[in-house]
Amino acid sequence: GAVVSQHPSWVICKSGTSVKIECRSLDFQATTMFWYRQFPKQSLMLMATSNEGSKATYEQGVEKDKFLINHASLTLSTLTVTSAHPEDSSFYICSAPQISGSIPGSAYNEQFFGPGTRLTVL
Amino acid sequence: ELKVEQNPLFLSMQEGKNYTIYCNYSTTSDRLYWYRQDPGKSLESLFVLLSNGAVKQEGRLMASLDTKARLSTLHITAAVHDLSATYFCAVDNPSGGYQKVTFGIGTKLQVIP
Repeated sequence: GAVVSQHPSWVICKSGTSVKIECRSLDFQATTMFWYRQFPKQSLMLMATSNEGSKATYEQGVEKDKFLINHASLTLSTLTVTSAHPEDSSFYICSAPQISGSIPGSAYNEQFFGPGTRLTVL
Repeated sequence: ELKVEQNPLFLSMQEGKNYTIYCNYSTTSDRLYWYRQDPGKSLESLFVLLSNGAVKQEGRLMASLDTKARLSTLHITAAVHDLSATYFCAVDNPSGGYQKVTFGIGTKLQVIP
């Protein structure tokens, strides 16, 4: 199946600094990628939809100036957490969907998830 | 707004026992996904259920979908310790086209030897 990578896998930074997380689709092109945040023992919360060549679409309550998303190519989306604070510490996961299913009417959205990036802000 | 509810939230069971995890969702959808997540890891796809009455089985896990009841079940048969993980269901979100999904809160399964 398709592979999605994330870099780095774990980052610790000081409060007030910015951190960039990369999400790459290794063997397929992704015009859309999704960024999720997961706090301990909680579900995945969609933060934003990254669109290649256009602005990202943010979910309600997510600050777009704090979480900058750039989708500059068909295989790379980046999430930059600007002026990070301890409350931004979380597990960040990206995914890239591919439409699967060759039979008409049976198409479905297969999400390929990256391995996640654990951000700890001191 | 699409809501996806799972229960139970936490499940501790002995090896060899059977149990069912339930996933309810609030709006019409006929695409439902089950994922597994191990601690500190990302999500692993288990099942994709595409239509009413769909049933899929892999090893000791069996998933089914009833789109009329807006209900999916994940049944565990003769649990083994290796099945310990958190299980999420997710549903295609109509407001996001076919690509956006909404996740349930997850069910943490602990299988005790």
